[in-house]
Amino acid sequence: QSALTQPASVSGSPGQSITISCTGTSSDIGSYNYVSWYQQHPGKAPKLLIYAVSDRPSGVPDRFSGSKSGNTASLSISGLQAEDEADYYCSSYTSQITQVFGSGTKVTVL
Amino acid sequence: QLQLQESGSGLVNPSQTLSLTCGVSGDSISSGTYSWAWIRQPPGKGLEWIGDIYHSGTTYNNPSLKSRVTISVDTSKNQFSLRLTSVTAADTAVYYCARGGPTGEFDPWGQGTLVAVSS
Repeated sequence: QSALTQPASVSGSPGQSITISCTGTSSDIGSYNYVSWYQQHPGKAPKLLIYAVSDRPSGVPDRFSGSKSGNTASLSISGLQAEDEADYYCSSYTSQITQVFGSGTKVTVL
Repeated sequence: QLQLQESGSGLVNPSQTLSLTCGVSGDSISSGTYSWAWIRQPPGKGLEWIGDIYHSGTTYNNPSLKSRVTISVDTSKNQFSLRLTSVTAADTAVYYCARGGPTGEFDPWGQGTLVAVSS
């Protein structure tokens, strides 16, 4: 199975808003509302940010939001902060009863 | 608070078998409708889902690894395990265990363990 497609890098200045896209197919993102997003700082395990396309676990700031349109999911970060500099990964359930991750996006806070 | 901890050999010879265990504390591995997953990340690269298991023993694996992967669960010890056969240098990675939620999300994750394949 092929990885979901994410931009390699996205950058923004503190306080700005950025959006990371995650493109799949009709066999994964397009067919299920089972898209998750993870944040990973260097040397650390990934942390769940968003599940079921747009739901936030308790403790995750509401600066992080998720959405989906067709075969593409998106993660938006508003009020960008220095601590948001990290790698971000999407994942989706698939029609093969498997999970697939995105290729990952490095977010840089300028 | 649910916690997961990976353990196992950090160095495996090529063509041999990689074996890891994930100990679960803070909740029973048999509770709820969660799955228990293995995920890996080669150095400097992205995440790859390996597979997961339910406490019933039902497993789902990545098709690209399917013939080499065995995931098992030991409810009496509250742990689950990964075996990956015929390893090569391409299997060198940080291996994570995680709990799978009802909508496919992984939370929480273990801290990860680096496994190197080298002679």
